[in-house]
Amino acid sequence: EDKVVQSPLSLVVHEGDTVTLNCSYEVTNFRSLLWYKQEKKAPTFLFMLTSSGIEKKSGRLSSILDKKELFSILNITATQTGDSAVYLCAGSKAAGNKLTFGGGTRVLVKP
Amino acid sequence: NAGVTQTPKFQVLKTGQSMTLQCAQDMNHEYMSWYRQDPGMGLRLIHYSVGAGITDQGEVPNGYNVSRSTTEDFPLRLLSAAPSQTSVYFCASQGGYTGELFFGEGSRLTVL
Repeated sequence: EDKVVQSPLSLVVHEGDTVTLNCSYEVTNFRSLLWYKQEKKAPTFLFMLTSSGIEKKSGRLSSILDKKELFSILNITATQTGDSAVYLCAGSKAAGNKLTFGGGTRVLVKP
Repeated sequence: NAGVTQTPKFQVLKTGQSMTLQCAQDMNHEYMSWYRQDPGMGLRLIHYSVGAGITDQGEVPNGYNVSRSTTEDFPLRLLSAAPSQTSVYFCASQGGYTGELFFGEGSRLTVL
């Protein structure tokens, strides 16, 4: 059975801090690791990582995948209150579109 | 653009009642799916479809039925609601393999 585990479950930081979120996966016929941000409603797409060791960046967010150790990290630098959300990672398989999601990390950024 | 539209947004049912959650997308996506989200458990796949007339089970299919008669619509049916089905339900679609699932806004279901 495919499994994706995120840590920590939650964290509280202050504006300006840097946050590192972890995602480990066990997905047979693995293709990609995806990160989503969920605020009050539906998750929104952040990154898709397919190759190991190549960092993807979008503003203050960055992510990297390690296919040997089967994990990914999501970094948020210079955090702002708008970064407060649940961050979800998901593993996808080589065939088809099915994603297996982790339980999410809840991030609260205090002013 | 409407994207993925789910209805209703909120619903309260009594145990044993049946209902249908509607999902429609206007992006001509072949792939559609239903997830449920419970506290601390992320999103769990209920059923999915790779095209009209084709459906398959996900991780937690028991108690739910789906059909896909058109590309646009993918309704989720609860046959006999149980309190364990209290959850937030998300419909999502994907065009090709871009990695990006487009989600509806969610339907909060409470079964008493």
